[in-house]
Amino acid sequence: QKEVEQDPGPLSVPEGAIVSLNCTYSNSAFQYFMWYRQYSRKGPELLMYTYSSGNKEDGRFTAQVDKSSKYISLFIRDSQPSDSATYLCAMSAKYSSASKIIFGSGTRLSIRP
Amino acid sequence: EADIYQTPRYLVIGTGKKITLECSQTMGHDKMYWYQQDPGMELHLIHYSYGVNSTEKGDLSSESTVSRIRTEHFPLTLESARPSHTSQYLCASRSQTGSGNTIYFGEGSWLTVV
Repeated sequence: QKEVEQDPGPLSVPEGAIVSLNCTYSNSAFQYFMWYRQYSRKGPELLMYTYSSGNKEDGRFTAQVDKSSKYISLFIRDSQPSDSATYLCAMSAKYSSASKIIFGSGTRLSIRP
Repeated sequence: EADIYQTPRYLVIGTGKKITLECSQTMGHDKMYWYQQDPGMELHLIHYSYGVNSTEKGDLSSESTVSRIRTEHFPLTLESARPSHTSQYLCASRSQTGSGNTIYFGEGSWLTVV
């Protein structure tokens, strides 16, 4: 059983739709949660970073953390073809020199014009 | 925006050749990482470093080696490349202030061994 589970997709939605990407995790010690966007043949780019529970909004992106359910989400509003990429969630426990960052396997998203 | 640079971006080499993938960051981060990622597949940690003269093997066994003589530089070396080494190699570094658990990636080095 992986510590972080993420549906690999592919997920295909029409332009303008609201997209919901999700990850579940098993380690209740995780407190730092990140979302990365990775375009084809590029390195992952940090999109959102949240600490503990709650919502965080940045433009068209909203990151949501539900620690009681061990579930995190990334919402993309008014999706654009340029949002087509692979989205990876990542998380780690309270910061220490030994804490690892665990990545999900990524969800491939395609926005149809 | 992250300041982490990898060279070369794309490389095709013959079997048995020695190759070094360069990685440099200008953010002063102590922690640096190398990940391997095949197309469409997940990231696998192959090496990491907590600072100068510190190197550790990651979760995925790799025939590559790394060194960390300077804080900003974390090169990865393959002494004798094989076709099985064909992959994308991603270098990363980790912030330790404020958003202390965020990790920043370079653009990646695509290695093809023929």
